[in-house]
Parts: sequence; C-alpha cells; structure tokens
Amino acid sequence: SQKIEQNSEALNIQEGKTATLTCNYTNYSPAYLQWYRQDPGRGPVFLLLIRENEKEKRKERLKVTFDTTLKQSLFHITASQPADSATYLCALRKRGATNKLIFGTGTLLAVQP
Amino acid sequence: EAQVTQNPRYLITVTGKKLTVTCSQNMNHEYMSWYRQDPGLGLRQIYYSMNVEVTDKGDVPEGYKVSRKEKRNFPLILESPSPNQTSLYFCASSKRPGQGDEQYFGPGTRLTVT
Repeated sequence: SQKIEQNSEALNIQEGKTATLTCNYTNYSPAYLQWYRQDPGRGPVFLLLIRENEKEKRKERLKVTFDTTLKQSLFHITASQPADSATYLCALRKRGATNKLIFGTGTLLAVQP
Repeated sequence: EAQVTQNPRYLITVTGKKLTVTCSQNMNHEYMSWYRQDPGLGLRQIYYSMNVEVTDKGDVPEGYKVSRKEKRNFPLILESPSPNQTSLYFCASSKRPGQGDEQYFGPGTRLTVT
C-alpha cells in the first residue's frame, strides 16, 4: 500500500540545536515533495519545495534533502528557536497526478528555551 | 493581501441539518481543494476543482458536495451532516499545482455535528 510516514512522536530539542524531521514514503513515485508548517488552530503554511531530481534545497535556516533511493526526505532547522515550535507536514505529489497532494500526519516540534 | 478565507470558523450543528462552508480566494487561482484533518489521519482531500465548473472527488468525498460556479469561490456542502463528519476543514488554492506551486490554505472551519 502507499504510505507517507512522519515521526508520530513529538520532537523536543534545546534552543540553538538543529532539528531534523523525517518523512518516509512507500510505493510512490513523487514528482516533488513539499514541507509545510502548521500552528495550532491554523492552516498549513508552505515552507519549501524539492523536486525529484534535486538532492537538497535551502532557505535561510531551513534545509530539505530528498533521497529517492531511500524514499526519504529530511527537513532540518538550524539554530532552532522557540518560535519554530509547530507541527511540520510533508506532502508529495505523484508524477502525473496534478490534482492530488498527499500529506503525512505531521511531526510536532517543541523547541525548549 | 493574498489569502483564502473560510466561513464560518466554528460551527456546531445537529445531525441532518444541511450546512454550507464557504471558501473564497483572491489570487485568481484555478485550482481549489477541500481537506479534512483528523487526529492521527492527517489531511485528507475531500474534493478538488481544476477550474470553473470542473470538480472531482478526492479520497473521502462521501457525504459532501461542492460547486465551482466562479473562479474565486468553492463552497463545501454537507446535505445531511452526521457525527463522523465532525472535523477540522481546510480550503486551499494553488496556481499551478502540477508545477509544484504551493497550496495556500484558509484558516480552517471546526465543525461539530451532534
């Protein structure tokens, strides 16, 4: 069956450390993968996009990697801050399926001061 | 300001009483979609629309209807709500989803059906 899996356990880290979140998928051929941030009671907000032919993308303190052999994307936040505390969702779009973005269940990140 | 708006934000209703959740976007996006979000299940697509008068089912369409008469509006209709439709609903829009364009989400509608 097709699945997208993110760490269901909350990730607790100390301020200033690097947070690493994992997104694994099975039985998909993604055209691209996106990462979103969701705060409690709010809609998801887009952060980064990485395409199937890209290995790494960066934006300020954020970095995303994409390994299509391992079927995994890693999302890194360097020099984390308490304001980074939120749920982070990965979502992928299958090749040829323009209508559907499939979301993981998200990982809650808590950055302790 | 580019945004997706939804109304109402909160709604408590009773089983069987028809309701409509409105969604509007001001970005001239052709693609719009409805999701529901439930604990442990993540965001699941209910319906989507590639353009005016073009709608199609997502993964969980049972018990819902949509319409797309204008580009900016994409209402979600529950003809006869049931308790299993209690959920957090999000509307989203995108310019060119096939090209990797981001989805813009509304603030959400929390629906409780008793």
